[in-house]
Amino acid sequence: EAQVTQNPRYLITVTGKKLTVTCSQNMNHEYMSWYRQDPGLGLRQIYYSMNVEVTDKGDVPEGYKVSRKEKRNFPLILESPSPNQTSLYFCASSLWGRVGSPLHFGNGTRLTVT
Amino acid sequence: GENVEQHPSTLSVQEGDSAVIKCTYSDSASNYFPWYKQELGKRPQLIIDIRSNVGEKKDQRIAVTLNKTAKHFSLHITETQPEDSAVYFCAASMNGQNFVFGPGTRLSVLP
Repeated sequence: EAQVTQNPRYLITVTGKKLTVTCSQNMNHEYMSWYRQDPGLGLRQIYYSMNVEVTDKGDVPEGYKVSRKEKRNFPLILESPSPNQTSLYFCASSLWGRVGSPLHFGNGTRLTVT
Repeated sequence: GENVEQHPSTLSVQEGDSAVIKCTYSDSASNYFPWYKQELGKRPQLIIDIRSNVGEKKDQRIAVTLNKTAKHFSLHITETQPEDSAVYFCAASMNGQNFVFGPGTRLSVLP
């Protein structure tokens, strides 16, 4: 089944404790992206990647890191999480460079930083 | 960069009535406009999309219209049902990258 898989689904952590949210897709998509979703603010892009070893900042990259060492994986790293990073996170992928290629979303990761 | 506005932020309709959600975008280079439905606690899922070379697209009770000149596009849902209740997001993209989303519309279909 074609899908984007995120783990974990729920995560509670404390301020300053490094964490990684994994994302993997099995559709051979070049483009992968991370979004955070907060009430009233919709989906805001954190980072995106157009292919292996190519990553770029989105609209809200502060406090986050990403890497794209393999085509299928795009982990999101919070080196020193803070309470304002409490949010619902979605990983997504699509075929880059093709008009009409929709984003496919993972099931989301609800992160709480205390 | 691209900016997408969406209205209304909340919409309540009676079951069986129609619902219309409108979005505007700023970048004339955007050429793909998907609509996503997000139910509570779930991921956004694509319900319909339109490319910039098409003015209208329909799929059963759902339709999307695009006015490139005015840079706006709309989602139309006819004969609404309670299961249509959700948050709907519009988005704009160029060539399958850098999707920019509207802030969302919470649709409530009242029985």
